[in-house]
This record gives sequence, structure tokens and C-alpha cells, in this order.
Amino acid sequence: DGGITQSPKYLFRKEGQNVTLSCEQNLNHDAMYWYRQDPGQGLRLIYYSQIVNDFQKGDIAEGYSVSREKKESFPLTVTSAQKNPTAFYLCASSVNRGLLSGANVLTFGAGSRLTVL
Amino acid sequence: DAKTTQPPSMDCAEGRAANLPCNHSTISGNEYVYWYRQIHSQGPQYIIHGLKNNETNEMASLIITEDRKSSTLILPHATLRDTAVYYCMPTATFGSGTQLTVLP
Repeated sequence: DGGITQSPKYLFRKEGQNVTLSCEQNLNHDAMYWYRQDPGQGLRLIYYSQIVNDFQKGDIAEGYSVSREKKESFPLTVTSAQKNPTAFYLCASSVNRGLLSGANVLTFGAGSRLTVL
Repeated sequence: DAKTTQPPSMDCAEGRAANLPCNHSTISGNEYVYWYRQIHSQGPQYIIHGLKNNETNEMASLIITEDRKSSTLILPHATLRDTAVYYCMPTATFGSGTQLTVLP
């Protein structure tokens, strides 16, 4: 079945360490996104990519980095510069390019929960 | 980007219709309105979207006002499994959503 796979599902890291969250999709979607969710809150956009080798900052990009070397993959690195990295991270993809290009239904992965000790 | 306002919580009796409102008064003319729901600790699930006309699919109906400043998601016969946080969002901007609790 087509879908989005995020790994790991749970991750524990010590403060100051960089961590990389994986996101892979086999939907042949052009656009991919990373969101952060804190307890009781909505989703906030970290980064998005409309096409391979191109990505844009979202609302809360500081302390995060991404790459888009392959259409299927959009890994997120949480760096030591992120002051409060403990959160639930969600990856999504969509057929249409860009956030404003008409109908743009997002398909989400199951999420990765990062806890910094 | 357009901003949305939703009530933080709502209750609905099982088997009855759930009507979830959303205000999006700053939405631009070419922005679609999307509805998603999220069951605790899972990824959000797409429900329905629309631009100007009312829409219906197997999950729900979407009523958009003529001025496009607000919309209502209708779950015609709510079940316990519909208990979730429902997000109304234009573009890719998520607000805090509405916690819908379906009561037996």
C-alpha cells in the first residue's frame, strides 16, 4: 500500500545531540512537509519542499535542517540549536506543488515522538 | 496566510449529527478550506475540502458560506470512533482545532 513511513516512532536523546528523523513516501508526491506538535496544540510548519533539491522555511524553522536529495525522502535534523526539541513530529506529502496551488490534500505519516532528556 | 477560529471543544450524542463550525474571515479567493481530524497521538486524517460550493463525501459534508468567511463540517451520524480533534485549515496552516467528544 502507498503511504508515508516515519521512523523511529519513539526517540530519546540527550540534550545537545543532533537527531535525524526519517520520512519516506511511495506516493509519487512532489511536495513534502514537516510539522511539529506540542501537547494540546495544533501543528506548526517547520519546513516544506515542493521539488527535489529545493525547500523553504516554515513558521518555526530555527534549530532544524532538512534535505531533499530524492523525491521519496525528506529527512529532518533537529540540531542542538533547537531550544526545546521535545515534541511530536509529523511528516506529510501532497500531489500538488506548493502551499497555495489550489487543492492540496495532505497525507500524513504516523509521527515520531522525540524526547530530550 | 488566513487564520481560523474554532471552538475548543464540543460534545455530540452518538447517532446524532455533529456540526463543527469554523471562522476563516481572512481567507483569500483562491484558498481552499480543508478539514482534517486527529485521533490522539496519530497523524491527521484528511476528511474533506472545498472552495466555494458545498461538498459531500462518504465521511462528511462541508457547508461554506457564500462570503466564504466561515464553514461547517457535518458528520451526519456521529459514532464513538469520531471522537477526535478536528482541524479546519486553509492552505497548510493548522489552528488549535475542536475536540469533538461523541457521547454514548
